[in-house]
Amino acid sequence: DAKTTQPTSMDCAEGRAANLPCNHSTISGNEYVYWYRQIHSQGPQYIIHGLKNNETNEMASLIITEDRKSSTLILPHATLRDTAVYYCIVKRVDSSYKLIFGSGTRLLVRP
Amino acid sequence: NAGVTQTPKFRVLKTGQSMTLLCAQDMNHEYMYWYRQDPGMGLRLIHYSVGEGTTAKGEVPDGYNVSRLKKQNFLLGLESAAPSQTSVYFCASSPGDETQYFGPGTRLLVL
Repeated sequence: DAKTTQPTSMDCAEGRAANLPCNHSTISGNEYVYWYRQIHSQGPQYIIHGLKNNETNEMASLIITEDRKSSTLILPHATLRDTAVYYCIVKRVDSSYKLIFGSGTRLLVRP
Repeated sequence: NAGVTQTPKFRVLKTGQSMTLLCAQDMNHEYMYWYRQDPGMGLRLIHYSVGEGTTAKGEVPDGYNVSRLKKQNFLLGLESAAPSQTSVYFCASSPGDETQYFGPGTRLLVL
């Protein structure tokens, strides 16, 4: 599975959009981009995933560049409860099912 | 639905003692996983199961054993606890090779 690179930390103001970048320059054609988050000491929570098209759900939007070497997770209106560590994970569909968690991005939403 | 539950929430062991962590899910998921998370790090896969009666090793299996006698339960055993096994343990389940749902975690301290 391809490795990912994320900034160590970011912050944004409450009510504004939070844009979290992820680089995955060695991604293969059969690998998905997954985003999970972990709110302080809780179990990770699934947010969204995609292959090559942009995706949107009730939590967030995922923008994947045309060459698939990077992506951005967008939280459109960040709240204080979105303060968490966000993990970008690249995973093959036919892999051994494991998620490889890096260090993630620590997002702080400021009041 | 309770989702994924873990028992106990917190435990203190002495070096050499044994214990079993229980994970239960009520979503009829085929796949279940055990991860550990050390301070400031991402999760690492210990063992996983792709169905009742089957188990497989993950990234860091040494010192742990698992069993999946019933579809809804996945047990993680420590036969002889060591201080290096002090960690937070997360269980997860998934319907297939896709989104994983995590439990709240078990904090283990080995003295």
